[in-house]
Amino acid sequence: KQEVTQIPAALSVPEGENLVLNCSFTDSAIYNLQWFRQDPGKGLTSLLLIQSSQREQTSGRLNASLDKSSGRSTLYIAASQPGDSATYLCAGDQGGSEKLVFGKGTKLTVNP
Amino acid sequence: GAVVSQHPSWVICKSGTSVKIECRSLDFQATTMFWYRQFPKQSLMLMATSNEGSKATYEQGVEKDKFLINHASLTLSTLTVTSAHPEDSSFYICSARILAGWETQYFGPGTRLLVL
Repeated sequence: KQEVTQIPAALSVPEGENLVLNCSFTDSAIYNLQWFRQDPGKGLTSLLLIQSSQREQTSGRLNASLDKSSGRSTLYIAASQPGDSATYLCAGDQGGSEKLVFGKGTKLTVNP
Repeated sequence: GAVVSQHPSWVICKSGTSVKIECRSLDFQATTMFWYRQFPKQSLMLMATSNEGSKATYEQGVEKDKFLINHASLTLSTLTVTSAHPEDSSFYICSARILAGWETQYFGPGTRLLVL
């Protein structure tokens, strides 16, 4: 059974800082690993999707990596901005299944 | 593209009443829709998987008679919370997937339910 853990639960940084959010998963037979952003009281916005054949994906200031052997994924945010403040969720599929298993998220606050 | 809407965005109801939440894919046909529940400061938990024209598949511990799911068309799925109780108060989010297989899911904005 897939379990997804995110560390830290909360992170507060000054504007402009580069930061890394961590995600670990237990089932290495993962096919997709996704990072989402959730603003307070809102739904989810997909940020990056990494398939098992890929090691990383980039979109603007965001870079996500996937290491299946170690069961880890990281989301790197460069030059953080106050608008990046949100909860970031990591989700992996349960190997062989279409279902997504979510971590509890990392609440990021970027201070001006 | 790939927009998913939910209606209503929030609802307050009395205990014992039923509440229907709609999930629509606005610009694509969704073969599969998923329903999630999120409690405060918790992660999303999958409740059920809904395929158009067939019965939903519920996750362990989710009462299918309490959470009725109907996926009548390729653009609409509904979740009805029957005989709602205060413990059903939560944030309900749906997602939709375009094709079978390992395509990404597109998420709706969520519906906040408060049962008094």
